[in-house]
Amino acid sequence: EPEVTQTPSHQVTQMGQEVILRCVPISNHLYFYWYRQILGQKVEFLVSFYNNEISEKSEIFDDQFSVERPDGSNFTLKIRSTKLEDSAMYFCASSADRGQETQYFGPGTRLLVL
Amino acid sequence: QKEVEQNSGPLSVPEGAIASLNCTYSDRVSQSFFWYRQYSGKSPELIMSIYSNGDKEDGRFTAQLNKASQYVSLLIRDSQPSDSATYLCAVSNNAGNMLTFGGGTRLMVKP
Repeated sequence: EPEVTQTPSHQVTQMGQEVILRCVPISNHLYFYWYRQILGQKVEFLVSFYNNEISEKSEIFDDQFSVERPDGSNFTLKIRSTKLEDSAMYFCASSADRGQETQYFGPGTRLLVL
Repeated sequence: QKEVEQNSGPLSVPEGAIASLNCTYSDRVSQSFFWYRQYSGKSPELIMSIYSNGDKEDGRFTAQLNKASQYVSLLIRDSQPSDSATYLCAVSNNAGNMLTFGGGTRLMVKP
């Protein structure tokens, strides 16, 4: 069964450093998403991406964040200058379409900012 | 601010019982509703989706939607210890390009 994959599974970085989280969505899916979950808190939407541009973004997704689909398979989330409060689990998801289409989640990248 | 509210629990039920999980949402124009299961340290896994008022059954799971009351529920029949997890209610926005999650209800099924 096709699945969303994410790398790395864990990332430790120093405050102020740049990190890139990588995702390979399900191959025939057209919509891609990033969510985050701070330990013990809700899953929060960050951004959705369709046709090589941002479709929707939340207030969390400020200028420190960017997304890119550098090739036909990868979808990346970049955090330019990490802060302590960026420590969270970051989930990539993809869907065949929007609306009623299910979003399938990857296993997540646990980011720890020291 | 669109809100999705769930009782955090824990909801404790004996094995074989029915577990009832509830969710309310604030955005009246929402059209798509999802229940995800999340084991500790893992990613959300889809259990069921529902789009129309009424009941939708899939195996041991039944989702119920009442748009007038802005209420979604999930019933788990014949609960098993392996059902012990946090159940997340998620609501799609009108454009269908983002999900708003509730805080989840932690379910504990005791053998």
